[in-house]
Amino acid sequence: KAGVTQTPRYLIKTRGQQVTLSCSPISGHRSVSWYQQTPGQGLQFLFEYFSETQRNKGNFPGRFSGRQFSNSRSEMNVSTLELGDSALYLCASSLGQGGGFNEQFFGPGTRLTVL
Amino acid sequence: AQSVTQLGSHVSVSEGALVLLRCNYSSSVPPYLFWYVQYPNQGLQLLLKYTTGATLVKGINGFEAEFKKSETSFHLTKPSAHMSDAAEYFCAVSPMGRDDKIIFGKGTRLHILP
Repeated sequence: KAGVTQTPRYLIKTRGQQVTLSCSPISGHRSVSWYQQTPGQGLQFLFEYFSETQRNKGNFPGRFSGRQFSNSRSEMNVSTLELGDSALYLCASSLGQGGGFNEQFFGPGTRLTVL
Repeated sequence: AQSVTQLGSHVSVSEGALVLLRCNYSSSVPPYLFWYVQYPNQGLQLLLKYTTGATLVKGINGFEAEFKKSETSFHLTKPSAHMSDAAEYFCAVSPMGRDDKIIFGKGTRLHILP
C-alpha cells in the first residue's frame, strides 16, 4: 500500500505570494492533518480534515487555509507569504478522525522557503 | 489542556550504550502518549504509543517506554544504541477518549558516538 505523498517536496517563494501544497493520504484513510515544523517552534498543528470537513484547527492566522476533496486528498493554501512561513509542512493521514486513538501516518513533507 | 516537555534538545550516547530520552506531560484528562522518530528529510514515524493497559510499551527497533502516572512521565529507552538510531525523537500527547489533536514536544536530537 502506498504511503502518504506530498507535492511538491521543495518550494521557493517570495514574500507576498501565495502557495498551495498537496497531500494524498493512504488509500482508505479519511482524515488528513497538517502540521508546520520549524526549528524554533517544533511541530505545530494547523488543521484536520475528515470527510471533507474541517474538524479541528490550530492557532494560525486566516492566511492558512485548507480543504479536502471527496477522494480524501487535501490541499493547504498560504496566502500573502511572510518570511516566518518558511518551514517544513507535514501532512498525516489516519483511518478515523482525531489524532489520538487513530494512528497517524506522515508524509515526507514539503520544504517551503520564503525569500 | 495538554502539553509536553522533552528534556534536552540534544542527547549524545556512545554506540552500545543505553539510550534514555525524557518526556514529561501535562493533561487534564487521561492521555494517549506517543513517541515518534524523524530521520533526515523524512516525515515522522510512530515508534510506540500508550493507550490503556500495560504501562510498559514496546515499540519498533528495540525501543520501549514506560507510562508513570505519578511522575507524569513517558521516558523512551533502548538498552543498546546503534548508529542507525541517530535521528530526532518527538514525544506527543493527546486526550484519551476525545477526537482531539496531538500535541508534540519540541523534539530531542539523538547523536550516536562511535
